[in-house]
Amino acid sequence: DAGVTQSPTHLIKTRGQQVTLRCSPISGHKSVSWYQQVLGQGPQFIFQYYEKEERGRGNFPDRFSARQFPNYSSELNVNALLLGDSALYLCASSRGLAGGVAETQYFGPGTRLLVL
Amino acid sequence: SQQGEEDPQALSIQEGENATMNCSYKTSINNLQWYRQNSGRGLVHLILIRSNEREKHSGRLRVTLDTSKKSSSLLITASRAADTASYFCATAPGDSGAGSYQLTFGKGTKLSVIP
Repeated sequence: DAGVTQSPTHLIKTRGQQVTLRCSPISGHKSVSWYQQVLGQGPQFIFQYYEKEERGRGNFPDRFSARQFPNYSSELNVNALLLGDSALYLCASSRGLAGGVAETQYFGPGTRLLVL
Repeated sequence: SQQGEEDPQALSIQEGENATMNCSYKTSINNLQWYRQNSGRGLVHLILIRSNEREKHSGRLRVTLDTSKKSSSLLITASRAADTASYFCATAPGDSGAGSYQLTFGKGTKLSVIP
């Protein structure tokens, strides 16, 4: 079975632009989460979606938004890019909500975003 | 914000030696997970230990959890050069409701295994 896929792998943008990152979960997984990883740090939670509904949101500004489609794939949008948005953006999928608890997450390879 | 803090930040050992990494966290948890990351790419899940478990094994990995001390350790036995990577602990909060689905990661331990 294919793992979590993300596109694009790399992206270069300039300040003020907008970016859309895409994620396809493992087949059968209904939950998708997004994480931001700045160089030298651990991943930070941005969003979690289950059955097309937002179920969790981290401490990120409204410039960050996401959605999940009927086929459970997901997009992360970031508007008005800042230099500090440069990071590795990771998508993770899991089977479901498991009673409201974060279970094992299966991560994609990430999209490396550079904002100039 | 980072919930878990790994210790040490970096560890260099010879192939064949054991590697021990520690993780401390601050709030109650439902479970604690360890992940490995090679060269800044995607994370790979290693092991999950629930708050009512004290020890868990998977191959050459041994994880312990002490909820009274809010700490966990990851032991890799008989290390190999291929174990060179960054290792992160991540906690799932113990309280249900908003935010209960997110994992909170530490800053990681960078392990180098010298052949």
